[in-house]
This record gives sequence, structure tokens and C-alpha cells, in this order.
Amino acid sequence: GDSVTQMEGPVTLSEEAFLTINCTYTATGYPSLFWYVQYPGEGLQLLLKATKADDKGSNKGFEATYRKETTSFHLEKGSVQVSDSAVYFCALSDRDGGYQKVTFGTGTKLQVIP
Amino acid sequence: GAGVSQSPSNKVTEKGKDVELRCDPISGHTALYWYRQSLGQGLEFLIYFQGNSAPDKSGLPSDRFSAERTGGSVSTLTIQRTQQEDSAVYLCASSLATSGGQETQYFGPGTRLLVL
Repeated sequence: GDSVTQMEGPVTLSEEAFLTINCTYTATGYPSLFWYVQYPGEGLQLLLKATKADDKGSNKGFEATYRKETTSFHLEKGSVQVSDSAVYFCALSDRDGGYQKVTFGTGTKLQVIP
Repeated sequence: GAGVSQSPSNKVTEKGKDVELRCDPISGHTALYWYRQSLGQGLEFLIYFQGNSAPDKSGLPSDRFSAERTGGSVSTLTIQRTQQEDSAVYLCASSLATSGGQETQYFGPGTRLLVL
């Protein structure tokens, strides 16, 4: 079946540091890939997505590129802020038996300190 | 509606009692998902609805868990004879169901369940 593996947290960075959160996947079909974010005390919300190979999703300074050859969708940001502290979830959406199925990773907690 | 809503926001119950959790998806979203998020854990898929039917119930942890959806809209997740290990945040999400599989899921705020 499909699966998503993302790096263990927590990740602690100083403000303005470079961020990478690794995400790799296995899928039976040709999935769409997503990053969701959960800020403290809030619900999950979409951060960015990419629907085909070599697409780059971007939002709020975050980027991730759909790499089919390495089955990866690593999240990056050049300069993190304290307000980026949250839990980040990598996910894939694949068609399974004629309908869409979404598989989430376990989440990576990011803590940015001033 | 403007977004996915869930009720109650918090529920404290005694072990052995039944609970019902409600999800009201975004109007027009035919796909609806239930997930469970335990403390320090990721998202655990429970069940998926397309319209009123549930093609995938593979994530339900036991036969104490059931869910239904009526009118292609509101869904209810029922946990019978609750156990302490059922304590978690139960999340509902909805999305448009198109053929592309690219749909974004929109999440509700969750119901925080505590079984004493």
C-alpha cells in the first residue's frame, strides 16, 4: 500500500536558519503530494501541493519539489521565523480502487527560537 | 458553510459509555474523511465517505467504531463502549471529489475526546 515517511522531530532552529524537512513516499499510482501545517491550537491547513513530477509547490516562503525519480517531496524554507513553529505533515493523494485515498506522514514538529 | 465544523469541540466521558461525534463538511464537498490524532502521533486514517457510501472502512480500529453519512452531508462517528485508549483528537476533513485526485482536504477543528 501507499506510505509516507518524514523525518523525526522535533526540529529546533534559530530564527533565520535554513529549514529542510525530508519526506519520501511509496505509491502504487501517480500521486499528488501535499504539505499540511498545524499551528499550535489550530486545525490542519494546506501549506502547498504539487500534482506532477518536477512541479514546485510554494507558499509563505516554503517550497517543495515533486521528485519522481527519488520519490521525495522535501519541504524547504530559506529563513524561518518564530511564527513558523508548528507541526508539518507530508501527505500523498492516490487513486485506490477508483477513489481518492490520502495517506499522511507522522508529522514533524518544528520549533523556531528567537 | 464557510468551513468544516465539528461538534462537540471537547468531550469527556466515562469508560464504557458511547459517544457520537459530528462533522458538517463544506457545502458541495462529496468526499469526507475521519482521522484520529493521538498525543504525539500522526494522523491515523479511520474511514472515507464518497457521498453516503463508505468505500474504505479499513482504518476503523475495532467494531466499536462506526460511522454514517446521510444526505451526502453530515457525518456521525460513533464509538461504543469507549476505552481509555480511544482518547484522542478526532478530525474530519472534506474535499471535492473529481477524477484527478488532486483535491485539497479541508479540515475541521477536531473533537478532543477524553475517556476517563
